Amino acid sequence: GNSVTQMEGPVTLSEEAFLTINCTYTATGYPSLFWYVQYPGEGLQLLLKATKADDKGSNKGFEATYRKETTSFHLEKGSVQVSDSAVYFCALSSGGGADGLTFGKGTHLIIQP
Amino acid sequence: GAGVSQSPSNKVTEKGKDVELRCDPISGHTALYWYRQSLGQGLEFLIYFQGNSAPDKSGLPSDRFSAERTGGSVSTLTIQRTQQEDSAVYLCASSLGPTSGIGGEQFFGPGTRLTVL
Repeated sequence: GNSVTQMEGPVTLSEEAFLTINCTYTATGYPSLFWYVQYPGEGLQLLLKATKADDKGSNKGFEATYRKETTSFHLEKGSVQVSDSAVYFCALSSGGGADGLTFGKGTHLIIQP
Repeated sequence: GAGVSQSPSNKVTEKGKDVELRCDPISGHTALYWYRQSLGQGLEFLIYFQGNSAPDKSGLPSDRFSAERTGGSVSTLTIQRTQQEDSAVYLCASSLGPTSGIGGEQFFGPGTRLTVL
């Protein structure tokens, strides 16, 4: 079956630090890959996505590249801000009828000023 | 209000009671999804509707759980004879079409926090 593995944290960084959150996956076929973010007190929202190998998703300074050879979709940002503090979820969808997202456990990111 | 809405936002119930959770998707979205978010299990996919049809119900945790969707719009998730392990946040999402087919985004509602005493 499908699965997503990501570092759970909490990950604590200082403002302007470089961020990497690792995500690897197991799936049949050619899944679409997503990063969702949940800010404190808010609902889940899509941060970025990639639908095929070597695609790079980007949004709000965050980037992630779909690496089929390493089955990875690591999230990066060059300079984090306090407002980036949130829980980040890596997810995949492989379709096949059920079409729900398979999520990782989530990574709690804390940015200190 | 263009987003996905869910009601109630909070529900406290006693063990053994039935509960109904409601989801109003974004107008025009044909696909609707239910998920459960709990501390122990993270985010679990429960069921997916394309229109009024749910092709695969195997993600529902037990036969106490059921879901329906009418008119291609509102959906209800019903939990019968609730147990303490059912306590979680139940999330609903909708999308224009199948997520993997067009790489489409799922838009999530704020969730219903269910507490079973």
